[in-house]
Amino acid sequence: DAKTTQPPSMDCAEGRAANLPCNHSTISGNEYVYWYRQIHSQGPQYIIHGLKNNETNEMASLIITEDRKSSTLILPHATLRDTAVYYCIVRSDGSSNTGKLIFGQGTTLQVKP
Amino acid sequence: DGGITQSPKYLFRKEGQNVTLSCEQNLNHDAMYWYRQDPGQGLRLIYYSQIVNDFQKGDIAEGYSVSREKKESFPLTVTSAQKNPTAFYLCASSIMGLVYNEQFFGPGTRLTVL
Repeated sequence: DAKTTQPPSMDCAEGRAANLPCNHSTISGNEYVYWYRQIHSQGPQYIIHGLKNNETNEMASLIITEDRKSSTLILPHATLRDTAVYYCIVRSDGSSNTGKLIFGQGTTLQVKP
Repeated sequence: DGGITQSPKYLFRKEGQNVTLSCEQNLNHDAMYWYRQDPGQGLRLIYYSQIVNDFQKGDIAEGYSVSREKKESFPLTVTSAQKNPTAFYLCASSIMGLVYNEQFFGPGTRLTVL
């Protein structure tokens, strides 16, 4: 599975959009980009995933560049409850899939009033 | 309500004692996982199981053991051989298949060895 690089921390004003970047320059064709987040002292929570196209759900949007070497998670209107560590994970899905996720250190997002 | 439960939330043990952490899920998921998290770090995979009566070592299995006698249960034993067992332990489960499989996490057990 490809390695990801994320900034260690970011701040965002409450009500504004939070844009969290992730670099995955060694991603291969069958690898998906997943985002999870972990609020302090809780288990991680799935947010969104994508392969090539941009994706949107009730929590966030995922923008993947055309070359797939980087992506951005967008929280459109950040609230104080969005303060968490956000993990970008690249993983292949297919017949060899063991379901394992490899977590890096993630980005700590601090939403400020 | 469907979900994953871990118990207890906080656990204290004396050095040299084995301790077993519970993980139960009622999501009918085939796969279950155990992760360890140290302060300020990401999660590291200890063991995982894709089917009953079968499990595989993850990246940091030394000093740990697991069993998978029932689909809904995947207990983790932290043995006295684990040199630094104080950590936050997280259990997760997912369906298995060729499509993506979101992992659902439990609330975690914070183990402190005194």
